[in-house]
Amino acid sequence: QLQLQESGPGLVKPSETLSLTCSVSGGSISSSSHYWGWVRQPPGKGLEWIGSTYYSGITYYTPSLKSRVTISADTSKNQFFLKLSSVTAADTAVYYCARQDGWNYGPNYWGQGTLVTVSS
Amino acid sequence: EIVLTQYPATLSLSPGERATLSCRASQNVSSYLAWYQQKPGQAPRLLIYDASSRATGVPARFSGSGSGTDFTLTISSLEPEDFAVYYCQQRSFWLTFGGGTKVEIK
Repeated sequence: QLQLQESGPGLVKPSETLSLTCSVSGGSISSSSHYWGWVRQPPGKGLEWIGSTYYSGITYYTPSLKSRVTISADTSKNQFFLKLSSVTAADTAVYYCARQDGWNYGPNYWGQGTLVTVSS
Repeated sequence: EIVLTQYPATLSLSPGERATLSCRASQNVSSYLAWYQQKPGQAPRLLIYDASSRATGVPARFSGSGSGTDFTLTISSLEPEDFAVYYCQQRSFWLTFGGGTKVEIK
């Protein structure tokens, strides 16, 4: 059974970098059939795709966040990562990691999500 | 960017009733549209992909239709566990979600 689990600081100061890890169990991120992505949801609001990565290092980012986002993976640890720089209060959200069948396919497996608050 | 507009924003219905949710795309997305269900405190769950294909384990009371710019998610007879927020999502150009429709108990 595939499981994804987000981890990282729940509080980040404005202008700093948000860093999250997604640990995958029950499956391999080296799979040639899947991409691994991040989606966020501000409190009480809708969903926003952030970006996705393939085990080979290929990445895709949503245009509005591209200048601030880096998604990477460590196949030896079966983990992938999100870094979002220069955060503001608008980046406060629940961040989900997820598995996708293609970089722009909707996720079919999701982590439980982790709330990250940007505040001083 | 392709904008997805969902309506109505809120649908108030009773268990056993039929629910019809709409999603309109600002440009043609062909059949590259999915639907998700989200309950409070939970991650979204994929229900429908490619406009009309049910995801694994999704009950037959959920069905999707449409192509181009207009899409519909139908729940034939609402069960108590179906009251939730529903999102549409397109993959024709990048990946974007609609704003959601809340299905609440009347």
